[in-house]
Amino acid sequence: DAGVIQSPRHEVTEMGQEVTLRCKPISGHNSLFWYRQTMMRGLELLIYFNNNVPIDDSGMPEDRFSAKMPNASFSTLKIQPSEPRDSAVYFCASSPGLNTDTQYFGPGTRLTVL
Amino acid sequence: QKEVEQDPGPLSVPEGAIVSLNCTYSNSAFQYFMWYRQYSRKGPELLMYTYSSGNKEDGRFTAQVDKSSKYISLFIRDSQPSDSATYLCAMSGRGSSNTGKLIFGQGTTLQVKP
Repeated sequence: DAGVIQSPRHEVTEMGQEVTLRCKPISGHNSLFWYRQTMMRGLELLIYFNNNVPIDDSGMPEDRFSAKMPNASFSTLKIQPSEPRDSAVYFCASSPGLNTDTQYFGPGTRLTVL
Repeated sequence: QKEVEQDPGPLSVPEGAIVSLNCTYSNSAFQYFMWYRQYSRKGPELLMYTYSSGNKEDGRFTAQVDKSSKYISLFIRDSQPSDSATYLCAMSGRGSSNTGKLIFGQGTTLQVKP
């Protein structure tokens, strides 16, 4: 079975541009998580969904960040406008449900904002 | 103060050594404790999972939880160069405010030298 799929794997953009990161969770998983990882701050939870509904977005840093999950097999994280401090690796993870703690991570998207 | 504290290292040991990795935490509601392993430029993968206090062993890996001290450990016996990675502790509690939400430590980078 395919694991969590993320695209693109690498993204280089200029400050002010819109960035869209994509995630396909493992089939049958009901919960989806977006994380950001930097050397300084480690792995931070941005937002998570259960059954396509956002449950907790308290980790989203600013209004420039938004996330959607239009169906069970697809989610996007959008940054508009992007800034150099958004440079990080963004991970998507999925789990069978919120009552299980095992999360399966995708390979990540390495974002560089110049 | 962060909810979960983990020494980022790096930690360098010779092949065959016993490795001890540790995390401390402040939230007494945490009941589920995990260790994730992250290879360079990959997503984290679940390595060990324990509930409440006690030990759990899986091959060369042993996870310990001491809830009274709010302290968890991961021991690696007979360490191998292939164990070189970043190890992240993670934990969660139960309750409407944090169901399914993992709190990660900063991660400890381990290098096992041949």
